Amino acid sequence: QITLKESGPALVKPTQTLTLTCTFSGFSLTTSQEGVGWIRQPPGKALEWLALIYWNDDKRYSPSLKTRLTITKDTSKNQVVLTIDNLDPVDTGTYYCAHRLRGTAPPTYYMDVWGNGTTVTVSS
Amino acid sequence: QSALTQPASVSGSPGQSITISCSGSSSDVGGYNYVSWYQQHPGKAPKLMIYDVTYRPSGVSNRFSASKSGNTASLTISGLQAEDEADYYCSSYSAINTRVLFGGGTKLTVL
Repeated sequence: QITLKESGPALVKPTQTLTLTCTFSGFSLTTSQEGVGWIRQPPGKALEWLALIYWNDDKRYSPSLKTRLTITKDTSKNQVVLTIDNLDPVDTGTYYCAHRLRGTAPPTYYMDVWGNGTTVTVSS
Repeated sequence: QSALTQPASVSGSPGQSITISCSGSSSDVGGYNYVSWYQQHPGKAPKLMIYDVTYRPSGVSNRFSASKSGNTASLTISGLQAEDEADYYCSSYSAINTRVLFGGGTKLTVL
């Protein structure tokens, strides 16, 4: 059974850097074709895809946020970390990490198992 | 404004069928069979309902079906049930900057 859990600060100040950790189980990011992604959702608004990292350390970023995002993995800890630089109040929302559906070829980004999300507020 | 356009809301009575549209362009929905649909209940994480335009992941009810014509994808829910009341999001790969797009979401109300 695949599970994912997001963790990180609930409140951050503008201009600071946000570090979010996704701790997962039920699969390994050393296995071919596996991937973990991040998606966020501002309050009352739509989903927004942020980034994904593959088992081979290939990384994909949202073009509009690429300069501010960094995604990394620690396979020994079964964790994926997303950092977002230079935070703004518009970055407020719920951040989800999710497992990429196996058996589908890139450039597909279907997320079949999601964490419960972690809520982040950017405010001074 | 989302890159994929969905109606803000749809409604139907139990037992009826409804269809949610998702309009894009030839660079995304129309150009690739990489469309997916997610269901999201209030306060919950999204759930993958459809991928590769028409395929259902294991465990998803066959009351959910989907299709695509030109630049518009559609999700149909038949035999509406109260538990289907949720927000639904379409998503597509886009060749422009190789990105993933989401629609603005459609709120389904079961009357």
